[in-house]
Amino acid sequence: DAGVTQSPTHLIKTRGQQVTLRCSPKSGHDTVSWYQQALGQGPQFIFQYYEEEERQRGNFPDRFSGHQFPNYSSELNVNALLLGDSALYLCASSLGGFSSHEQFFGPGTRLTVL
Amino acid sequence: SQQGEEDPQALSIQEGENATMNCSYKTSINNLQWYRQNSGRGLVHLILIRSNEREKHSGRLRVTLDTSKKSSSLLITASRAADTASYFCATAGNTPLVFGKGTRLSVIA
Repeated sequence: DAGVTQSPTHLIKTRGQQVTLRCSPKSGHDTVSWYQQALGQGPQFIFQYYEEEERQRGNFPDRFSGHQFPNYSSELNVNALLLGDSALYLCASSLGGFSSHEQFFGPGTRLTVL
Repeated sequence: SQQGEEDPQALSIQEGENATMNCSYKTSINNLQWYRQNSGRGLVHLILIRSNEREKHSGRLRVTLDTSKKSSSLLITASRAADTASYFCATAGNTPLVFGKGTRLSVIA
């Protein structure tokens, strides 16, 4: 049973660049949520995708966008990177578009913005 | 914004001792969940307690929920070095999961 996978593991970018992170949900799951975790903080919800649409969104600017593909995998795009975007980006999957159910997390992508 | 707030921020105990972490939150919830995170990697779901439940057990874990006080506690009994990690509570209501800042637990062998 394949768990949640994310790529890449680590990424270094410079200010102003754009980045794309990828996530494949746990087998059988159809809902993907993205979280940003700054050092020493808890994860903060960015947005959730279900049925290829953004269903819910947290308090993040439009520079953060995403996509969900027909196979339920998802991408997170961040434009015009800022130093403050440096963080661990976590993808979590669940079933049925429910945001209150148990979330299965991937190992994360560590983004460093220089 | 982070609704859940864990207490203490850090906890250091000897192997075999019990560890208790507390979580307070602000708004009404459908359920409350506890997660563990090792070394800044992915989170692992530990236990979910619904708003109409008061106590739940899973192996060495015991979770309580007091909705009148808007608080929850996680007890890990007979701790092991492998329990060293950060522990987060997350509240679920009409919004997606809202995590606290976590408690960093160190279990010394």
